[in-house]
Amino acid sequence: LAKTTQPISMDSYEGQEVNITCSHNNIATNDYITWYQQFPSQGPRFIIQGYKTKVTNEVASLFIPADRKSSTLSLPRVSLSDTAVYYCLVGDDPQAGTALIFGKGTTLSVSS
Amino acid sequence: DAGVTQSPTHLIKTRGQQVTLRCSPKSGHDTVSWYQQALGQGPQFIFQYYEEEERQRGNFPDRFSGHQFPNYSSELNVNALLLGDSALYLCASSPRGRVYGYTFGSGTRLTVV
Repeated sequence: LAKTTQPISMDSYEGQEVNITCSHNNIATNDYITWYQQFPSQGPRFIIQGYKTKVTNEVASLFIPADRKSSTLSLPRVSLSDTAVYYCLVGDDPQAGTALIFGKGTTLSVSS
Repeated sequence: DAGVTQSPTHLIKTRGQQVTLRCSPKSGHDTVSWYQQALGQGPQFIFQYYEEEERQRGNFPDRFSGHQFPNYSSELNVNALLLGDSALYLCASSPRGRVYGYTFGSGTRLTVV
């Protein structure tokens, strides 16, 4: 599974757009990119998944350049409740049942 | 529709004891995975069960064992507890053959003293 590198922490203010970039230089052809969010004392929650270009849902957008060696999670107009740890995962399509491999994630702190 | 349910929510055990944690997967999910999350770290994969068999295993000693029942629920057993086993234990379920994401429970906080 490809190793990922993301910033340890980020700070933002309410109402701003936050972009968290993840580097995955050794991504394989069949690997998907998935982001999870985790609040203290809770399990991670699936945010978004993509393979290439751009994916958008009601929570976030995921931008993946053509070379797929990095990806950016974009959170529009964050609020205090977006304070959490965000994990970038790269691996096989979960359809295959591949175990999720988490790094340390990015701790996002949103202030008023 | 209930999500993933784990019990108990908190547990305190003494070194050397044995512990059993339980997980009920989300309705419609047939695959259960267990993760250990130490303070300040990301979750670490322990093992995964599907059709009542262990399908994948992470880098954990044999003290960690599990079981999946016909109703897809699962148990995680840890023998000869060490202080280092103190962590949040997370259960995640998923539907085999579907693409989008695993559903995690809120975990069991195990403290070994």
